Amino acid sequence: AQSVTQPDIHITVSEGASLELRCNYSYGATPYLFWYVQSPGQGLQLLLKYFSGDTLVQGIKGFEAEFKRSQSSFNLRKPSVHWSDAAEYFCAVGTASKLTFGTGTRLQVTL
Amino acid sequence: NAGVTQTPKFRVLKTGQSMTLLCAQDMNHEYMYWYRQDPGMGLRLIHYSVGEGTTAKGEVPDGYNVSRLKKQNFLLGLESAAPSQTSVYFCASSYSGSGRLETQYFGPGTRLLVL
Repeated sequence: AQSVTQPDIHITVSEGASLELRCNYSYGATPYLFWYVQSPGQGLQLLLKYFSGDTLVQGIKGFEAEFKRSQSSFNLRKPSVHWSDAAEYFCAVGTASKLTFGTGTRLQVTL
Repeated sequence: NAGVTQTPKFRVLKTGQSMTLLCAQDMNHEYMYWYRQDPGMGLRLIHYSVGEGTTAKGEVPDGYNVSRLKKQNFLLGLESAAPSQTSVYFCASSYSGSGRLETQYFGPGTRLLVL
């Protein structure tokens, strides 16, 4: 069965600092990988996705993620965090019809 | 386009009451999903549908039923609500993608409190 682990429940960074959110997955085949963001009281918005090809994926809002098969990881990065990035971030791994989500990482940004 | 909409936004039920949550999408998507979100547990799939008239169980289907009578609508029913079903419910939809998992688009959520 597929599974996703986000080891950091809560992360605090200063505005302007770099950010890396960790995601490890377990899946028997080549995975479909996603990062979603959820602002308070809102639904989920797709940041980026990996299906195949280039292992460095660019997304919206200046985010990127790198797929590392050898480490079963798909970490999310941003070089300079803005206060508006404060939200909860979910990594997900999927088959052709279903997604499995991690438990999320809550990002707090200090000014 | 409205995207994915959910009705109602918030509801309070008493234990044993029933209710139906409605999800509607105007993107002509084949696939639709119902998730529940609980603190510290992420999103868990309740039921999903790969087309009109079809439904399938997800990770946590017990206590819920679904129907997909029209392509654009996906209904989630609670026949006898329990406090353990207090949660935020999200609906999502996606293209079928010819066997590839496509991006899921989420609704704004329904907050349900069962007393």
